[in-house]
Amino acid sequence: DTEVTQTPKHLVMGMTNKKSLKCEQHMGHRAMYWYKQKAKKPPELMFVYSYEKLSINESVPSRFSPECPNSSLLNLHLHALQPEDSALYLCASSQVTISYEQYFGPGTRLTVT
Amino acid sequence: AQSVAQPEDQVNVAEGNPLTVKCTYSVSGNPYLFWYVQYPNRGLQFLLKYITGDNLVKGSYGFEAEFNKSQTSFHLKKPSALVSDSALYFCAVRDVNSGGYQKVTFGIGTKLQVIP
Repeated sequence: DTEVTQTPKHLVMGMTNKKSLKCEQHMGHRAMYWYKQKAKKPPELMFVYSYEKLSINESVPSRFSPECPNSSLLNLHLHALQPEDSALYLCASSQVTISYEQYFGPGTRLTVT
Repeated sequence: AQSVAQPEDQVNVAEGNPLTVKCTYSVSGNPYLFWYVQYPNRGLQFLLKYITGDNLVKGSYGFEAEFNKSQTSFHLKKPSALVSDSALYFCAVRDVNSGGYQKVTFGIGTKLQVIP
């Protein structure tokens, strides 16, 4: 199984809402990632978890809160977002060593109104 | 910081012709280089990587890439393009963030259009 799943596929939320994005993988990968991608742009790294511990936070605003409950699950909690946060949010996983390729989920298309 | 450059926003090629998507890199130390493809409304898919060894790397879907140390390039190639190859292609490189942790940095992407 080389699949990374993400739910929901689409999400529309108001600026006062609280919502969560979910990511799951069953490849035994111990590194998991959140990326933000704007249209026709490269993915921008947000967070990296290694062995369920947060190892990288790329100065992401606190309205984005990641969580890694176990080695297969990764969540991104959203609160008080801004319209400019509308984007495709991609989850990925890999072996911990950076020489290994990342496997990406299909993404959640987020629209903040 | 390590970086990659993709000099072409878009590449157009006729179906059946060979295709090349260019990537140059700037790294200190040994480069770890990757190519990913993104189809519309999808996540990225890994195509191939160069870590060490043979300069010609073979990957998924008939793609290959040539690592050239003297030209600091890692161009993606395919002998015969298919219409289904039309997508956005990203070159990527191992990088280190300000905290000393390793990550991957992506190029800006090249849109490949294969014309029937």
